Amino acid sequence: NEVEQSPQNLTAQEGEFITINCSYSVGISALHWLQQHPGGGIVSLFMLSSGKKKHGRLIATINIQEKHSSLHITASHPRDSAVYICAVTYNTDKLIFGTGTRLQVFP
Amino acid sequence: DAGITQSPRHKVTETGTPVTLRCHQTENHRYMYWYRQDPGHGLRLIHYSYGVKDTDKGEVSDGYSVSRSKTEDFLLTLESATSSQTSVYFCAISEGGLQETQYFGPGTRLLVL
Repeated sequence: NEVEQSPQNLTAQEGEFITINCSYSVGISALHWLQQHPGGGIVSLFMLSSGKKKHGRLIATINIQEKHSSLHITASHPRDSAVYICAVTYNTDKLIFGTGTRLQVFP
Repeated sequence: DAGITQSPRHKVTETGTPVTLRCHQTENHRYMYWYRQDPGHGLRLIHYSYGVKDTDKGEVSDGYSVSRSKTEDFLLTLESATSSQTSVYFCAISEGGLQETQYFGPGTRLLVL
């Protein structure tokens, strides 16, 4: 698979620091992190091609040389429970999605 | 939230019947996409459009056709539905191409009996 996420499932206690990993095997022009809510809706969290981005309690990093990205959630909360999806753009017209990491945060 | 709607939201149909799903946007974005999501698979691109009357195939286009006669509407048609097309279908839009942030519609759940 061109895009691999780990872990597939993750449970955490409220307040814990969470890391979700994404590895890819192709040369990319962009990497996306998406969040899919339990109800099915999909929201784009980050799009990055280098370095790091931060939005609230979420941080996304990418290492182009290592072909690896991480999504971190600080001070996790039950409302963060969702499926987190990594996707990569390559050849400018191909977008490949990972199968997602299911996160459950318990109070 | 980006203004994207999909219709219908749920549909049950029989094998061999034609089905059309509609995606409507109010953002005037140039690019529109149709994806399907199945258990055990990531989202997979079916077709996309980069302008009115300009469309191209994605990864899983067999059995599907699309049309875009207006900027705001992108239609996905299953000419003769099969059980393997039972899935959740998502529409998405972006200002640029696949290197830009995508905004997703709420999804359409299709069951082909």
